[in-house]
Amino acid sequence: DAGVIQSPRHEVTEMGQEVTLRCKPISGHNSLFWYRQTMMRGLELLIYFNNNVPIDDSGMPEDRFSAKMPNASFSTLKIQPSEPRDSAVYFCASSPGTGNTEAFFGQGTRLTVV
Amino acid sequence: AQSVTQLDSQVPVFEEAPVELRCNYSSSVSVYLFWYVQYPNQGLQLLLKYLSGSTLVKGINGFEAEFNKSQTSFHLRKPSVHISDTAEYFCAVSGDNTDKLIFGTGTRLQVFP
Repeated sequence: DAGVIQSPRHEVTEMGQEVTLRCKPISGHNSLFWYRQTMMRGLELLIYFNNNVPIDDSGMPEDRFSAKMPNASFSTLKIQPSEPRDSAVYFCASSPGTGNTEAFFGQGTRLTVV
Repeated sequence: AQSVTQLDSQVPVFEEAPVELRCNYSSSVSVYLFWYVQYPNQGLQLLLKYLSGSTLVKGINGFEAEFNKSQTSFHLRKPSVHISDTAEYFCAVSGDNTDKLIFGTGTRLQVFP
């Protein structure tokens, strides 16, 4: 398996524009996580899905952020409209789906909003 | 609710010296504990994990950690570090009733020659 695949690796956009980040989890994994990493806040859990259903989105910062998982092999994180303070590295991770197993991380998407 | 505290934001150490990175957790249920490492411009990868059983857990690259329930700690240790161990290290917790994986703020290990 190629691991968790995220795209794009880098994204530079202007304030106010819509940004969509994409993630393909490892085949057979039932849980998917979106994290945001910044110097100030560290690694924050934004939302996680289990069997394609959002279980906990309490970490989603604002209504400008939304995440979907239309099927077991694809998820998106959308920011609309984007703001400079959204600049961060966004990681997607997947796991087999129980608390006692590790999460596998993608390489991340570095988002810069100017 | 579960939480993780990594008290040291940075740990400088000379090559071949021992190192300990501290992690304390808070949880009201049974916990599973993890240490991840992040090299520059990369995602996180698992170093080791504690699920149950022996409280001393060995991981990759010569790292080990000890689960101490009475002190709610899971400190990471290595007897002799190498330059290549320079990275960010994250402690994380999940539990019996959730897949939610909560991370600490990370500790930057800087190994000097």
